[in-house]
Amino acid sequence: GENVEQHPSTLSVQEGDSAVIKCTYSDSASNYFPWYKQELGKRPQLIIDIRSNVGEKKDQRIAVTLNKTAKHFSLHITETQPEDSAVYFCAASKGGGTASKLTFGTGTRLQVTL
Amino acid sequence: DAGVIQSPRHEVTEMGQEVTLRCKPISGHNSLFWYRQTMMRGLELLIYFNNNVPIDDSGMPEDRFSAKMPNASFSTLKIQPSEPRDSAVYFCASSLLAGGGDTQYFGPGTRLTVL
Repeated sequence: GENVEQHPSTLSVQEGDSAVIKCTYSDSASNYFPWYKQELGKRPQLIIDIRSNVGEKKDQRIAVTLNKTAKHFSLHITETQPEDSAVYFCAASKGGGTASKLTFGTGTRLQVTL
Repeated sequence: DAGVIQSPRHEVTEMGQEVTLRCKPISGHNSLFWYRQTMMRGLELLIYFNNNVPIDDSGMPEDRFSAKMPNASFSTLKIQPSEPRDSAVYFCASSLLAGGGDTQYFGPGTRLTVL
């Protein structure tokens, strides 16, 4: 089955700096890669996703890049703010048929310091 | 839309008791997922349904766990008998596209404590 590895497990940045979280996946058939943000005591919420026919996607201060050849994708947060502090999860899945389950990475705890 | 609804939000029970967690997916969504989250094991998929049919239950830890989806708007996850190691936050999520590759929306979770 699919295996998703995520690094780093913890990340501390100063407010205003950029943060980068990286994930690799094992199944070349995976074609959907969402990123979820989970604040303390809350549910995971989708912040951005990318599909295999796209190499990069941006939404204001966040962006995701995908390298299908190398089987890795990354989350980039620019101009970090204290409210960006949370645990971030990457995930991968294969579209089509009944193979709709997401395989999650182990999470990255991002701390934005003042 | 009210989003995914889960009940109860918190459950404290004693070892050996039966626990039933409930989930109402977003109306119109045809895939439903049950996850368990712990510090040690992270976010684990337990089982998921497409169009009310269980597709993959390989994540269900043991026979003490069972899940049902009798109709498109309701699912249960039952633990019988419960054990302290079952203590975790259980999330239900739903998505629109049964074929995969679509956004999963998580419910608020049920925090289960087994004493």
